[in-house]
Amino acid sequence: GAGVSQSPRYKVAKRGQDVALRCDPISGHVSLFWYQQALGQGPEFLTYFQNEAQLDKSGLPSDRFFAERPEGSVSTLKIQRTQQEDSAVYLCASSPKSGGYTFGSGTRLTVV
Amino acid sequence: QQPVQSPQAVILREGEDAVINCSSSKALYSVHWYRQKHGEAPVFLMILLKGGEQKGHEKISASFNEKKQQSSLYLTASQLSYSGTYFCGTEKDGNQGGKLIFGQGTELSVKP
Repeated sequence: GAGVSQSPRYKVAKRGQDVALRCDPISGHVSLFWYQQALGQGPEFLTYFQNEAQLDKSGLPSDRFFAERPEGSVSTLKIQRTQQEDSAVYLCASSPKSGGYTFGSGTRLTVV
Repeated sequence: QQPVQSPQAVILREGEDAVINCSSSKALYSVHWYRQKHGEAPVFLMILLKGGEQKGHEKISASFNEKKQQSSLYLTASQLSYSGTYFCGTEKDGNQGGKLIFGQGTELSVKP
């Protein structure tokens, strides 16, 4: 597609529920990044992939967070046993090997 | 470590100029600039690489002082469309696949 596509756009989860957030990057973009953005803050790094390899997951807040990109294209960020502090906008971005990011519109997660 | 942006917020009249600064305590490989409008994804403006020159994009330009580990974004003759939150993203070396650490943002409001 022409841009980075994320789904769902909004997700309301009950505390303790598992959620899966999908990112479909720009075709041919090698790098894919996940960021978490709280209201009024800058995006905070979670993890990134180069093709199917997850090269850095140092930003994942806990072992409840898991990301994958099995075929080097679509990526899924999974959050298990959601907590209220997980409420945020989750942004996915892709880029060619070097260059600026193209961000998706994000998934706004609200945990109630 | 997160770069520090200043000012946190600025209000301009249409046609006025503004400068947004981004400082890091660590050596940098590149600096990216993004603009985010409320409820939307951040949009890439430009990238400045270590050893590179000042860049421009319409009436928006930026510089990168490697020795001071600082970058500045210059907005001249501001337009209403320039309103939004500006983020710098810093890359500490060229071996991290483009992983960026973002500042906390500078909110720019341009009034008629």
